[in-house]
Amino acid sequence: QSVLTQPPSASGTPGQRVTISCSGSSSNIGSNTVNWYQQLPGTAPKLLIYSNNQRPSGVPDRFSGSKSGTSASLAISGLQSEDEADYYCAAWDDSLNGQVFGGGTKLTVL
Amino acid sequence: QVQLQESGPGLVKPSETLSLTCTVSGGSISSYYWSWIRQPAGKGLEWIGRIYTSGSTNYNPSLKSRVTMSVDTSKNQFSLKLSSVTAADTAVYYCARDLYDSSGYNWFDPWGQGTLVTVSS
Repeated sequence: QSVLTQPPSASGTPGQRVTISCSGSSSNIGSNTVNWYQQLPGTAPKLLIYSNNQRPSGVPDRFSGSKSGTSASLAISGLQSEDEADYYCAAWDDSLNGQVFGGGTKLTVL
Repeated sequence: QVQLQESGPGLVKPSETLSLTCTVSGGSISSYYWSWIRQPAGKGLEWIGRIYTSGSTNYNPSLKSRVTMSVDTSKNQFSLKLSSVTAADTAVYYCARDLYDSSGYNWFDPWGQGTLVTVSS
């Protein structure tokens, strides 16, 4: 049981916009920033969004993040086949004094 | 750019100690936090803990009694030891750099490619 809650799956067709939610509590998302990681099949996770809505160099602006209260969202616009991957949200948890992750969302491009 | 590479035995017997090393290349290990994260097959990510180059550590409370991390700045390496392993510790183990901004918020970048450790007799 993950501390942060994500839907196990999401899907969309090429060109569509999809969003993935991440729900937490006051001790994690409510008081710290949220990061998102993309894990392509058979590879290590890669930083996709940090500090709620910042994109590292090289990440397309099709990817965007937002946070409100104790929830966060990752939006992917102009969906492409190469976006098919697992997506994880993460945040520091002040009560646990450690990093917590969501259970991951498997994105399928139909 | 900074690259990380995990190394260590791929097979560990139950009740023994899992030992992994992460080698940092393309940059200095100094003045950063470094984390270990694991992922059982088909499952999500679990943070194991982190170490600063001074040796200061934070561990996941669920693993704290079995985890020891260390750092060797002369070799640009940091290490993980997990004792009394069981089949539940079978996973891909990743090392990652733990970056912080001026407000104290963190994220992991980059990650190593990961190494599979199987616990079996």
